[in-house]
Amino acid sequence: QKEVEQDPGPLSVPEGAIVSLNCTYSNSAFQYFMWYRQYSRKGPELLMYTYSSGNKEDGRFTAQVDKSSKYISLFIRDSQPSDSATYLCAMKRTSYDKVIFGPGTSLSVIP
Amino acid sequence: GAVVSQHPSRVICKSGTSVKIECRSLDFQATTMFWYRQFPKQSLMLMATSNEGSKATYEQGVEKDKFLINHASLTLSTLTVTSAHPEDSSFYICSARPRAGGPHDTDTQYFGPGTRLTVL
Repeated sequence: QKEVEQDPGPLSVPEGAIVSLNCTYSNSAFQYFMWYRQYSRKGPELLMYTYSSGNKEDGRFTAQVDKSSKYISLFIRDSQPSDSATYLCAMKRTSYDKVIFGPGTSLSVIP
Repeated sequence: GAVVSQHPSRVICKSGTSVKIECRSLDFQATTMFWYRQFPKQSLMLMATSNEGSKATYEQGVEKDKFLINHASLTLSTLTVTSAHPEDSSFYICSARPRAGGPHDTDTQYFGPGTRLTVL
């Protein structure tokens, strides 16, 4: 079993839809959770960063962490074509630990 | 936000040659830099972690004599792919963790734009 699992997609939605992206993980020691967005042939860009369980909102993006279920989610409201990218979940055990990435979900938002 | 640059963005070389890739943190000092490799439609695989002034720590399965990492200053790390072969063709991405006391969050890593290496 991989440490971090993520549905690779591709996920295709119409513009304006609410997008739900999810990851599950096996290591209960993970405490720091991140979502990165990666456009084709570019480096990842940090979108959201949360510590432990709970929700965090930033504009159209909401990150949720449920440590009891070892499940994290990223919601994108009012999706735009510019949101079309690969979304990588990532997590680590401690602040200075190495980051473990999920395989990424490819998202296409159709105008 | 924190800016990390990589140079070159793209390189094509002949088999057997060595290629150096630079990673720079432009507006912050980085105590730790990370080097990743990414194959098409796959996630990032950590190759090594380097701390300024010390030897890099390589992940299992990564040949340290083939992928030479130097972290000579708080703003620069280099990855040299020695005697490159076609199977080394990949997208190489670095990231940097800011030094404490600076303007950026030390809990997060900031990524460079990546370097696409093609070995003929």
